[in-house]
Amino acid sequence: DAGVTQSPTHLIKTRGQQVTLRCSPKSGHDTVSWYQQALGQGPQFIFQYYEEEERQRGNFPDRFSGHQFPNYSSELNVNALLLGDSALYLCASSSDPAGNYGYTFGSGTRLTVV
Amino acid sequence: QKEVEQNSGPLSVPEGAIASLNCTYSDRGSQSFFWYRQYSGKSPELIMSIYSNGDKEDGRFTAQLNKASQYVSLLIRDSQPSDSATYLCAVNAPGGFKTIFGAGTRLFVKA
Repeated sequence: DAGVTQSPTHLIKTRGQQVTLRCSPKSGHDTVSWYQQALGQGPQFIFQYYEEEERQRGNFPDRFSGHQFPNYSSELNVNALLLGDSALYLCASSSDPAGNYGYTFGSGTRLTVV
Repeated sequence: QKEVEQNSGPLSVPEGAIASLNCTYSDRGSQSFFWYRQYSGKSPELIMSIYSNGDKEDGRFTAQLNKASQYVSLLIRDSQPSDSATYLCAVNAPGGFKTIFGAGTRLFVKA
């Protein structure tokens, strides 16, 4: 049973560029949340997708956008990259949109903006 | 005030000792609480969830919840070097779909 799969594993981009990160949730999970984790910090909530809709959004600018597909996989897009966007981006899936069972995390995408 | 607060540590305990990790949260309406373990360079892994006041035990781990004091703790008995990691406290925001994480406490277990 595959867990949460994220791609790519690592990515280096230049300021001002755009990036797309991808996530396939764990089998049986239909809810996907995205988190940003800076070095030495806890994960920060970006947004959650359920039934192909953004259900809730954290304190992130509109440069961060996402999508969920009918097969529950999801993408995170970041436009006009800033140096401060360098972080580990984590995808987390669950079978409950309220998150009451906790999350299964993917291994993350390490984004470096230069 | 941060929504979920943890002592960043590091917390250092000898092998075989009890490690005690603490967390406070600000929203009194929160109902679901979690502890995740994150090894260096890896992603968080769910180790405990607790929903009611009191203690919940799972193997060497015990989670404790006190909603009146808005306090959650994790006890690790018979600590092993393999328990050395960052422990993240997480709380579900009431009425929404967001889980809020603390900054984590780094634990070192000395052999």
